[in-house]
Amino acid sequence: AQTVTQSQPEMSVQEAETVTLSCTYDTSESDYYLFWYKQPPSRQMILVIRQEAYKQQNATENRFSVNFQKAAKSFSLKISDSQLGDAAMYFCASLRGTSYGKLTFGQGTILTVHP
Amino acid sequence: GAVVSQHPSWVICKSGTSVKIECRSLDFQATTMFWYRQFPKQSLMLMATSNEGSKATYEQGVEKDKFLINHASLTLSTLTVTSAHPEDSSFYICSASPGAGGYEQYFGPGTRLTVT
Repeated sequence: AQTVTQSQPEMSVQEAETVTLSCTYDTSESDYYLFWYKQPPSRQMILVIRQEAYKQQNATENRFSVNFQKAAKSFSLKISDSQLGDAAMYFCASLRGTSYGKLTFGQGTILTVHP
Repeated sequence: GAVVSQHPSWVICKSGTSVKIECRSLDFQATTMFWYRQFPKQSLMLMATSNEGSKATYEQGVEKDKFLINHASLTLSTLTVTSAHPEDSSFYICSASPGAGGYEQYFGPGTRLTVT
């Protein structure tokens, strides 16, 4: 079974600063995908970024980037130039290629952005 | 594109009654739909996976007779909570995937169920 661990229940950052959210995962499979989802107070899940395990290059989406360390099974999310709208709960998730869409979520990290 | 809706967004029902929650993919055909349950400030827990025209696959520990899932078409899945009890009060989220692999999943806005 896959497990995803987010060891930071809460994080905070000043507006315009950079913050990194940690995530580690455990899988024995070679074909898998990793995701970061954002859940704002509205509770709508929003995909922030995804990474295919076979790709060595770290995924980037505007101010969001990941540091994918495959050997260490680490998948951290870096948010640059933090904005007030980034305040949300962030979930790291993994998807095995053979799991037919079953996402495994981490416990979540609540991010607070201070003006 | 890729919008998933849920109805209702909030429902209150009395203990012992049943309530149905709908999940619709508005602009794509969903090969697979997923139902999650989320308690406040906690993670999402997968309840079941449904494919159009097939019986849903339930996760271990989820009562299939209590949480009835029907994936009637490629754009509609329903979750019926039967004989609801206060402990069933939770936030229920569906997601839909256009492909069998689930690599792309789009989430609905969720439904808050309160059982009194």
